[in-house]
Amino acid sequence: AQKVTQAQTEISVVEKEDVTLDCVYETRDTTYYLFWYKQPPSGELVFLIRRNSFDEQNEISGRYSWNFQKSTSSFNFTITASQVVDSAVYFCALSGSNDYKLSFGAGTTVTVRA
Amino acid sequence: ETGVTQSPTHLIKTRGQQVTLRCSSQSGHNTVSWYQQALGQGPQFIFQYYREEENGRGNFPPRFSGLQFPNYSSELNVNALELDDSALYLCASSLRDIRGGAEQFFGPGTRLTVL
Repeated sequence: AQKVTQAQTEISVVEKEDVTLDCVYETRDTTYYLFWYKQPPSGELVFLIRRNSFDEQNEISGRYSWNFQKSTSSFNFTITASQVVDSAVYFCALSGSNDYKLSFGAGTTVTVRA
Repeated sequence: ETGVTQSPTHLIKTRGQQVTLRCSSQSGHNTVSWYQQALGQGPQFIFQYYREEENGRGNFPPRFSGLQFPNYSSELNVNALELDDSALYLCASSLRDIRGGAEQFFGPGTRLTVL
């Protein structure tokens, strides 16, 4: 069974501060995929990134960066120099190689204050 | 925008009634997944359809059923509505990847309220 844990329920920061969201996962699959989605107040889930279990290279995309560590089963996400528009709920998700469903964490609500 | 559309946007039903939610997938996608998201929680997988057949189901009772049409659009039907069925229902479309891990693109959701 797949399980995703996002221990942080809410994070509140002032604009321009960095925000790091933690995600810890459990799976018995040797091949699996990790995702981050953003859900703004409008409700639509927006895809941010996908990583497969064989690719531990960390990535930076603009103000977003991801840190994938198989040794600790973690897939953390950082927003650098946060902006008010980053305010949303962020979900970490996991799927196995033969399991096409996404298993989501409970989400972390990020509030960026001006 | 993802190109995935859902209708209706909002719906209010009473306990015991039946409801049908609709989803049009993104052009070129052949797989549709449905998720239920209760307030303050992460989405929970209901089921997935690939080429008009159910391809995996989450922990939901049989009164949750679905269809996928030849144009890959989909319906979610819920019979005998219960108060706990009140939630945001999300549809996601994807292009099936035999290796797994296909990116799923979500629609705006249908907010269902059961009174």
